[in-house]
Amino acid sequence: KNEVEQSPQNLTAQEGEFITINCSYSVGISALHWLQQHPGGGIVSLFMLSSGKKKHGRLIATINIQEKHSSLHITASHPRDSAVYICAVNKGNKLVFGAGTILRVKS
Amino acid sequence: EAGVVQSPRYKIIEKKQPVAFWCNPISGHNTLYWYRQNLGQGPELLIRYENEEAVDDSQLPKDRFSAERLKGVDSTLKIQPAELGDSAVYLCASSLTGVNTEAFFGQGTRLTVV
Repeated sequence: KNEVEQSPQNLTAQEGEFITINCSYSVGISALHWLQQHPGGGIVSLFMLSSGKKKHGRLIATINIQEKHSSLHITASHPRDSAVYICAVNKGNKLVFGAGTILRVKS
Repeated sequence: EAGVVQSPRYKIIEKKQPVAFWCNPISGHNTLYWYRQNLGQGPELLIRYENEEAVDDSQLPKDRFSAERLKGVDSTLKIQPAELGDSAVYLCASSLTGVNTEAFFGQGTRLTVV
């Protein structure tokens, strides 16, 4: 079993919909990251959080340390949000990555 | 300020040929990582440097892969000889030293071995 599991693997949404991507982890961590990867592009860090909730524009990330679970929400989704969203956790000095969620937002 | 710079962006080689990737981290970042990302999967760590020292290379296939970070700044990752299964995106990232520091990623090098 992977130490970091994401769901869903693939997600197709209509423009304007509210989107949720989930991440569960099975190891002790010091921080969790949400990353965005566009086709052919590198990875951009969206959030790093160790507790509670963070918001940046239309993106919201939450984490529940007791339940070892985090969610990434996108409000009023737009086609330009189409990308792969990756959850990663700090395990000591290492980053352990989930497999990613492929999001496609249709206009 | 420039982010993490990698080159080349794309590389197509025949199997058994050598290939090298180059990474220039963000200025001041002592920690440098090389990751390999296979299609449909998350990145997997190949090697981590603290300055010029490789502190974690446990996942680096040392029979064909090598890396160096001379002077603790730029780094190169080499594969010799390349195999078909090496086709992947090779990502470089850098960060300040520490446990919960944010890593910044380059654009990656997409390698295709034919």
